[in-house]
Amino acid sequence: AQKITQTQPGMFVQEKEAVTLDCTYDTSDQSYGLFWYKQPSSGEMIFLIYQGSYDEQNATEGRYSLNFQKARKSANLVISASQLGDSAMYFCAMKNNYQLIWGAGTKLIIKP
Amino acid sequence: GAVVSQHPSRVICKSGTSVKIECRSLDFQATTMFWYRQFPKQSLMLMATSNEGSKATYEQGVEKDKFLINHASLTLSTLTVTSAHPEDSSFYICSARTTSGGYYQETQYFGPGTRLLVL
Repeated sequence: AQKITQTQPGMFVQEKEAVTLDCTYDTSDQSYGLFWYKQPSSGEMIFLIYQGSYDEQNATEGRYSLNFQKARKSANLVISASQLGDSAMYFCAMKNNYQLIWGAGTKLIIKP
Repeated sequence: GAVVSQHPSRVICKSGTSVKIECRSLDFQATTMFWYRQFPKQSLMLMATSNEGSKATYEQGVEKDKFLINHASLTLSTLTVTSAHPEDSSFYICSARTTSGGYYQETQYFGPGTRLLVL
């Protein structure tokens, strides 16, 4: 069965430090897509970054990058130079046919 | 970027009444929209997939007569919670899927969500 695992329920990080949020996935498919979303306290789900299974390079979007290790089936999100506004829930998700399979999320709190 | 609106953002209603939630893709056409439910401190739970011009596909355990979905146009899907009860109180959030990029790159963009409280 396809599954997304986020093992860090919560993280505290000092402002301006880099942070890595872990995500591992399980699938027998050769083609798949991996997504990261941010959910601040307001509730809106904000799309951050996408990685395709056949992409040879790790995806980057501004301060966000995805450390994609296909053999290990991991797709960790790296946030560089964290800011107070980065405090939120972060969800990893995988495209499965027509829907997304979601991880349980990681609550990130940035300390000033 | 793709923008999805959702209305209302909050609603409080009495038990037994029906509540309609609208989800609109503002700057793109979405043949497929999704409706999720989220309980506090939990991940998203897919309720149904809404396809323009056809019946919605409901996930196992979701009552289709309770949660009516209509996808009347390429930019609008509605979720109606019929005869709402306190246990239906939750955060409901919709998403619309773009069709740009490859199949696995089709990205879901989310509305801001609706907090429903049934008294």
